[in-house]
Amino acid sequence: DVVMTQSPLSLPVTLGQPASISCRSSQSLVYSDGNTYLSWFQQRPGQSPRRLIYKVSNRDSGVPDRFSGSGSGTDFTLKISRVEAEDVGVYYCMQGTQWPPFTFGQGTKLEIK
Amino acid sequence: EVQLVESGGDLVQPGGSLKLSCAASGFTFSSYWMYWVRQAPGKGLVWVSRINRDGSTTTHADSVKGRFTISRDNAKNTLYLQMNSLRAEDTAVYYCARDSYTAPDYWGQGTLVTVSS
Repeated sequence: DVVMTQSPLSLPVTLGQPASISCRSSQSLVYSDGNTYLSWFQQRPGQSPRRLIYKVSNRDSGVPDRFSGSGSGTDFTLKISRVEAEDVGVYYCMQGTQWPPFTFGQGTKLEIK
Repeated sequence: EVQLVESGGDLVQPGGSLKLSCAASGFTFSSYWMYWVRQAPGKGLVWVSRINRDGSTTTHADSVKGRFTISRDNAKNTLYLQMNSLRAEDTAVYYCARDSYTAPDYWGQGTLVTVSS
């Protein structure tokens, strides 16, 4: 199984400052079709998860452009250019390349300093 | 507007059974693969099952294989999860989600399953 490892697990950030979350996979996430199926999700307190990014760097509809995804192979990053209060929550990466199983990272809890 | 509404969660004894439903609307249900994903209290997200568009191909996590069965009724726009031989470690909020680019894009609000005597 592909293991997804996120860091840090806790991320205190000052409002208006940037934030970065790393996600590393135990195996390459490049699929035979050339795509890399790595997604990012946000889960605000008390809410269902919401997908932010798919295929490494594609933002979902309605996702603010302060969120961006990058990376390749086994190393991926979610960046928030300027953190806002509504960004508080837990962020997960997930791989959909080598399945089953689909695997999520442990989650990174973003809080405001 | 895409909507996914789960139901069927309940308190059940160990060894018992439960069937979850997920009513879909706002999109062509039969055109999408679908997922079940669960989240134990205070824990992270865990993939449970996935089903293809016509229900002919299903995949389950090893932790539920042989006990859980994902299915769908495209005429009723409904996704199901039949859960048998339930264990305490199955206690979680169960989310149904739509697939897009091999990842869940839209998620329901979740339904809580508690396995306890």
